[in-house]
Amino acid sequence: QKEVEQNSGPLSVPEGAIASLNCTYSDRVSQSFFWYRQYSGKSPELIMSIYSNGDKEDGRFTAQLNKASQYVSLLIRDSQPSDSATYLCAVNYGGSQGNLIFGKGTKLSVKP
Amino acid sequence: DVKVTQSSRYLVKRTGEKVFLECVQDMDHENMFWYRQDPGLGLRLIYFSYDVKMKEKGDIPEGYSVSREKKERFSLILESASTNQTSMYLCASSLRVTEAFFGQGTRLTVV
Repeated sequence: QKEVEQNSGPLSVPEGAIASLNCTYSDRVSQSFFWYRQYSGKSPELIMSIYSNGDKEDGRFTAQLNKASQYVSLLIRDSQPSDSATYLCAVNYGGSQGNLIFGKGTKLSVKP
Repeated sequence: DVKVTQSSRYLVKRTGEKVFLECVQDMDHENMFWYRQDPGLGLRLIYFSYDVKMKEKGDIPEGYSVSREKKERFSLILESASTNQTSMYLCASSLRVTEAFFGQGTRLTVV
């Protein structure tokens, strides 16, 4: 069974702080990794994708991938109350076909 | 912009009915997915299709079937709806190994 594990939270950070979200996955052959944000009652929206080891930055968001440790993380700098949402980690497990498995999500709360 | 459209936002059906949930994407994506989302259980994959007429079972296929006769359309069928199938259903599409884009979701209630 291919798995994607996340701490369910809730993770609470003060406004302006760095929020750190973590994800581990079980299959070493996975080749693509994604972070989605989901507001209550809405569908998930993509915020970051990462395909190779290292860091990838986009505005206040940084995704980090370590394939040797089977670990992917998301850092949110200068957290805002509007960042309060559930963050879903997703891993492509399907080889060339591209099957996509999600973690259960981490609920983030940013306090003003 | 990628557009994934689900046929209904809210749906109420009776136990035993056959239910069709439709999903259409406009980006010529090979992959299409059906997930259900329940509190505390996250997104669970029901079925996945990687090409027309091709499908793979996900983690929870029991009680569901799918149809993909055209590349842009992926249908989820509840053969005989039951109350434990009350849930949020999410359709998504993607290219082979790239990010998936979601529809707006269908909240199905089976009474």
